Amino acid sequence: SAVISQKPSRDICQRGTSLTIQCQVDSQVTMMFWYRQQPGQSLTLIATANQGSEATYESGFVIDKFPISRPNLTFSTLTVSNMSPEDSSIYLCSVGTRTEAFFGQGTRLTVV
Amino acid sequence: GENVEQHPSTLSVQEGDSAVIKCTYSDSASNYFPWYKQELGKRPQLIIDIRSNVGEKKDQRIAVTLNKTAKHFSLHITETQPEDSAVYFCAATPYSSASKIIFGSGTRLSIRP
Repeated sequence: SAVISQKPSRDICQRGTSLTIQCQVDSQVTMMFWYRQQPGQSLTLIATANQGSEATYESGFVIDKFPISRPNLTFSTLTVSNMSPEDSSIYLCSVGTRTEAFFGQGTRLTVV
Repeated sequence: GENVEQHPSTLSVQEGDSAVIKCTYSDSASNYFPWYKQELGKRPQLIIDIRSNVGEKKDQRIAVTLNKTAKHFSLHITETQPEDSAVYFCAATPYSSASKIIFGSGTRLSIRP
């Protein structure tokens, strides 16, 4: 199994500012994933974070808006840049083991 | 890339009855199909999964079936209980549980007492 610590758990931010979300895993993993879950919606993959290389972004998501760092095999950050109210969502990190994918508890972001 | 469609979006069943949620996927290379349950304000939790080398898997009141030819898979919950009320997501991935997972749109299941 994998235990994921994600922080902050929630934040209220002013539009135009940026927020960095941290994700710490208790074991080394090759890939970490960042998802967005808008209110009442499903989980949408933002990007895959690989250690030692640039993140791979899904269609509709760009590095300038969602820069990702992956300095080692247990840690990653997602920054939501130049925020607008449309960025209000829950952001979750995820990792997979051989048998199962695990999720952090999520960061509930409200942009005002 | 992979696209997963899920139906119905909402489902209300009488306590004790069965609930069925259906999903289709587009990428024939997908070979791992997990199902997640998400309660309000909580993270998704894996409830059952199936890999492409089997057609059916059961765990107590929960079962999943897979038809690779038709690219369909379904979740069956029998003898539903109030604690089964939640949002359920199907998902698919072409590699393994360690790979990126593409989710369906979700089904909000309500169990009527």
